[in-house]
Amino acid sequence: KAGVTQTPRYLIKTRGQQVTLSCSPISGHRSVSWYQQTPGQGLQFLFEYFSETQRNKGNFPGRFSGRQFSNSRSEMNVSTLELGDSALYLCASSSGLNNEQFFGPGTRLTVL
Amino acid sequence: QKEVEQNSGPLSVPEGAIASLNCTYSDRGSQSFFWYRQYSGKSPELIMFIYSNGDKEDGRFTAQLNKASQYVSLLIRDSQPSDSATYLCAGNTGFQKLVFGTGTRLLVSP
Repeated sequence: KAGVTQTPRYLIKTRGQQVTLSCSPISGHRSVSWYQQTPGQGLQFLFEYFSETQRNKGNFPGRFSGRQFSNSRSEMNVSTLELGDSALYLCASSSGLNNEQFFGPGTRLTVL
Repeated sequence: QKEVEQNSGPLSVPEGAIASLNCTYSDRGSQSFFWYRQYSGKSPELIMFIYSNGDKEDGRFTAQLNKASQYVSLLIRDSQPSDSATYLCAGNTGFQKLVFGTGTRLLVSP
């Protein structure tokens, strides 16, 4: 079974731009969660989608948004990028059973 | 106070020894706990999860949960140099929201 895939793997943007990241979950998994990982703050929860509905949201500004499609693929968008948005963005998929989450390889975003 | 706390380490153990990694949590609503291993430059890899008080064993790994003390631990038996990584403890507070500790760096020396 293929794992979680994320595209692109690396991204360089400048302040003020916007970015869209994509995540394809493990086949059959309907839950997709997004996390931000930085050296200073560690891994922080952004939001979770299940069957195209956002069920949970972390403490991030409204510039961070996401959506999920009917095939369970998910995208997250960050608008008006700031230097502090430079991070590894990870998505994780889950079947919901026991809430095990499996992470993708991540997208490394650098904001200049 | 962080919701999930871990000692950042590094925890140094010789090859073949038992490595003991610890984690405390403050949210009594957390229903299940997860241990992830993260190698430098890679994404977290799930080792195991636990949701009942007591021990849960999987190969060389044993997770322990004590809800009364709000304490979770991971024991790695027969530690190998390939186990050298950062170990992340996470609690699930509902709807797939995992709250992570900052991780403990483990170094296993040959």
